[in-house]
Amino acid sequence: DAGVIQSPRHEVTEMGQEVTLRCKPISGHDYLFWYRQTMMRGLELLIYFNNNVPIDDSGMPEDRFSAKMPNASFSTLKIQPSEPRDSAVYFCASSLRWTLPSYEQYFGPGTRLTVT
Amino acid sequence: RKEVEQDPGPFNVPEGATVAFNCTYSNSASQSFFWYRQDCRKEPKLLMSVYSSGNEDGRFTAQLNRASQYISLLIRDSKLSDSATYLCVVNLLSGGSYIPTFGRGTSLIVHP
Repeated sequence: DAGVIQSPRHEVTEMGQEVTLRCKPISGHDYLFWYRQTMMRGLELLIYFNNNVPIDDSGMPEDRFSAKMPNASFSTLKIQPSEPRDSAVYFCASSLRWTLPSYEQYFGPGTRLTVT
Repeated sequence: RKEVEQDPGPFNVPEGATVAFNCTYSNSASQSFFWYRQDCRKEPKLLMSVYSSGNEDGRFTAQLNRASQYISLLIRDSKLSDSATYLCVVNLLSGGSYIPTFGRGTSLIVHP
C-alpha cells in the first residue's frame, strides 16, 4: 500500500490567495483527519471524517478554512483567503476504525505551507 | 491550560542511557493513550499504545496512571536512532466522539 498521499508537498503563496491541499487516505480506512502543526501550537486536529461525513470540526480555526470529502479516496482542505499566520505543516491521517483498541492513525508526509 | 502537556526538553543523553518522559492530561474522561514518534521534518508514527496495566515493547515501556492523570514512556539502552520528538496522544471523549489530542512533544537527543 502506498500509504496516505498528500499533495502538494510544498506550497508557497501570497496572502489573499486560495490554497487547496489534497489527501488520499489508505484504501479501506473509514476515518480521515486533518491536522496543522506549528512550533508554537504543536499538532492540532482541525477536522475529522467518518465514511466521508464530517464528525468534528471544532478545531477549524475560522470560516476561511473548509474541508470536504466527496468520496472515500479523496479529501481537500481549502483556505480562502490565506494569511501569513496560516503558514504551517498540514498533515492528513487515516485510520481503519476509531473504536477501542484500534486507534492507530497513519499520517501522510504533510504539506508545508508558506504564506507570504 | 493545554489539555495534554509534555516537557519539551530537549533531553540530551549518551548512548546506553535510560530516559523517561512524562505526559499529563487534564480531562479525566480520556479513554485511550498513545506515544507517537516524529523524526525531524517527517510525519508522526505510532510508537506504542499505553494500556492500564502498563506495557513493554523491547526497550520501550509505557505506563498509565489514571489517578494522577499521566502517562510515561521509558526508553532503556538508548540508541542514536532514538533521537526524535516523542508525542503523547490522548483520546478525549467530547460530544459523543473521541478527539485525538496531541501533546507538543518531547525532544530526545542521544549522543555518542
